[in-house]
Amino acid sequence: NAGVIQTPRHKVTGKGQEATLWCEPISGHSAVFWYRQTIVQGLEFLTYFRNQAPIDDSGMPKERFSAQMPNQSHSTLKIQSTQPQDSAVYLCASSLDLGLGGNYAEQFFGPGTRLTVL
Amino acid sequence: AQKVTQTQTSISVMEKTTVTMDCVYETQDSSYFLFWYKQTASGEIVFLIRQDSYKKENATVGHYSLNFQKPKSSIGLIITATQIEDSAVYFCAMRRTGGADRLTFGKGTQLIIQP
Repeated sequence: NAGVIQTPRHKVTGKGQEATLWCEPISGHSAVFWYRQTIVQGLEFLTYFRNQAPIDDSGMPKERFSAQMPNQSHSTLKIQSTQPQDSAVYLCASSLDLGLGGNYAEQFFGPGTRLTVL
Repeated sequence: AQKVTQTQTSISVMEKTTVTMDCVYETQDSSYFLFWYKQTASGEIVFLIRQDSYKKENATVGHYSLNFQKPKSSIGLIITATQIEDSAVYFCAMRRTGGADRLTFGKGTQLIIQP
């Protein structure tokens, strides 16, 4: 089984440009999460979907960040007007519904996309 | 809100010895999961082991085991017979039970295994 796939692995943008990051969860996993990792803040939650529906986006910077999950096989994180402080590794994770009253298994992480904003 | 604290920034031990990494947490939830993940030098984050808050028995997987002390809100990770390839950053994390939910992570502990 392939793990979580994230593309691109590296992305460099100029300040003010748009960046779109892609995630393909593990087949059959119905929960998809986005996190961000920086040296200063560590691993921070951004947003997540369950059965393609957005459930919690409380970690997302409101103005320039958006996430979508148009189908069960991929999710995107879009950052408009990127700023140097957006530079980070963006991680996607997915988990499996165990079917036990809505309980979910542990989250499995993709390799991340390293975003550098110049 | 949940909070996870790892006070050990870095630990260095000799190969084939046992190491313990500390983690304390805060939560208002009565039921929760606790996890340990490992991040390798390549950046890959790998799930290691999970403890369910309602279970008294400490979880064990391979050469990883947990020391769960619920009254102290503590979940230590014990690695026995350490190997060079265990060198990595180890993260403690938690989430509520009941459905999928976000993970709250600690800042991580860097483990260095010396030959």
